[in-house]
Amino acid sequence: SQQGEEDPQALSIQEGENATMNCSYKTSINNLQWYRQNSGRGLVHLILIRSNEREKHSGRLRVTLDTSKKSSSLLITASRAADTASYFCATAINSGNTPLVFGKGTRLSVIA
Amino acid sequence: SAVISQKPSRDICQRGTSLTIQCQVDSQVTMMFWYRQQPGQSLTLIATANQGSEATYESGFVIDKFPISRPNLTFSTLTVSNMSPEDSSIYLCSVEGQGSGEKLFFGSGTQLSVL
Repeated sequence: SQQGEEDPQALSIQEGENATMNCSYKTSINNLQWYRQNSGRGLVHLILIRSNEREKHSGRLRVTLDTSKKSSSLLITASRAADTASYFCATAINSGNTPLVFGKGTRLSVIA
Repeated sequence: SAVISQKPSRDICQRGTSLTIQCQVDSQVTMMFWYRQQPGQSLTLIATANQGSEATYESGFVIDKFPISRPNLTFSTLTVSNMSPEDSSIYLCSVEGQGSGEKLFFGSGTQLSVL
């Protein structure tokens, strides 16, 4: 069953702006991951945050996790047209427990 | 990391036929996962394939419809049998990368259209 629910479903911004996507989940997790998918192709892992972490950075990406609210956010700063893609959160209930459960995704369009 | 070669990348098939999708990994992996992504939707796990044993199917998916082979630690196939238009989806294989923890690596996907 699907665990993550992304919000918004679709987001359109201008190049240079920041994009924020949110993910909510229902059960306790070991970690939460964000993936990117270009044009319906394979997914690429972006970042993983563990349940005992609150914030993590990777380049222009910033992920936060609030386990009390069962929610996470992905911030992409200084967006580029090449960031146009669908972004999915995925949760792992236990350590080393794959497969992951994916949310419905946010379709991000960055307009040059 | 893991590099996965998945083929075919896309196919258009007639109702009632079957299609076999292949995934080749550049390293030995214990588990391989097959996902389905229906148009505009998220990923749904079909089954987990372990080498040397039968695949484990998720609720709503059965072996007769989606037979899986896993002959060795680097290769797996998924067959979509007796296809109907409802099977039109993207099918993705994935593996957990060596030393990457829980991170998944994905093939490029197979876009299937059933007429």
